[in-house]
Amino acid sequence: QKEVEQNSGPLSVPEGAIASLNCTYSDRVSQSFFWYRQYSGKSPELIMSIYSNGDKEDGRFTAQLNKASQYVSLLIRDSQPSDSATYLCAVNRRNYGGSQGNLIFGKGTKLSVKP
Amino acid sequence: DGGITQSPKYLFRKEGQNVTLSCEQNLNHDAMYWYRQDPGQGLRLIYYSQIVNDFQKGDIAEGYSVSREKKESFPLTVTSAQKNPTAFYLCASSMAGQGMGLNEQFFGPGTRLTVL
Repeated sequence: QKEVEQNSGPLSVPEGAIASLNCTYSDRVSQSFFWYRQYSGKSPELIMSIYSNGDKEDGRFTAQLNKASQYVSLLIRDSQPSDSATYLCAVNRRNYGGSQGNLIFGKGTKLSVKP
Repeated sequence: DGGITQSPKYLFRKEGQNVTLSCEQNLNHDAMYWYRQDPGQGLRLIYYSQIVNDFQKGDIAEGYSVSREKKESFPLTVTSAQKNPTAFYLCASSMAGQGMGLNEQFFGPGTRLTVL
């Protein structure tokens, strides 16, 4: 079983719609969850962190975490063409080499927002 | 202006050569990381360091080496032993320790390495 799974997409939504990106993870004791945005040819940029079950909102972005289902999602409201990018889900790996800070990344979902 | 810098942006290497990629941060972060990204693939951890003068192998350390002589710097050497080094290399840093916010990783702009 892959540790962090994402649908590779592409996910295509019209401008102004809600984009929903999903991620599942295998380590039941993971505590920290992150969403990164990566434009083509650029490095990943952290856009959301979530640590507790429920929703966390930041502007047009909402992260949702359900630890019982081992599921984390990212909603982008009022999607814009500038949101077109690959979105990476990352989860911390507990006790990896004695470190709590190491992350494992999914392969990313490519989002395309059509004008 | 705080951040992470990587140099060079593009690097070309002949087969059999060692090359060193630079990573510097002024965020006062204790932990630093090196990842490799191949087209259509997720990030894979090469090496990480939680503190000066200490570093650990990640998932794909073979053919790579690192040093951590200063808190601000974490250079990566790609040796001739790395069989398929063409990739996008990303350096990241974070605060060390456990707890909310401490393991948020921030990335530099990356170095794109091509073997000729």
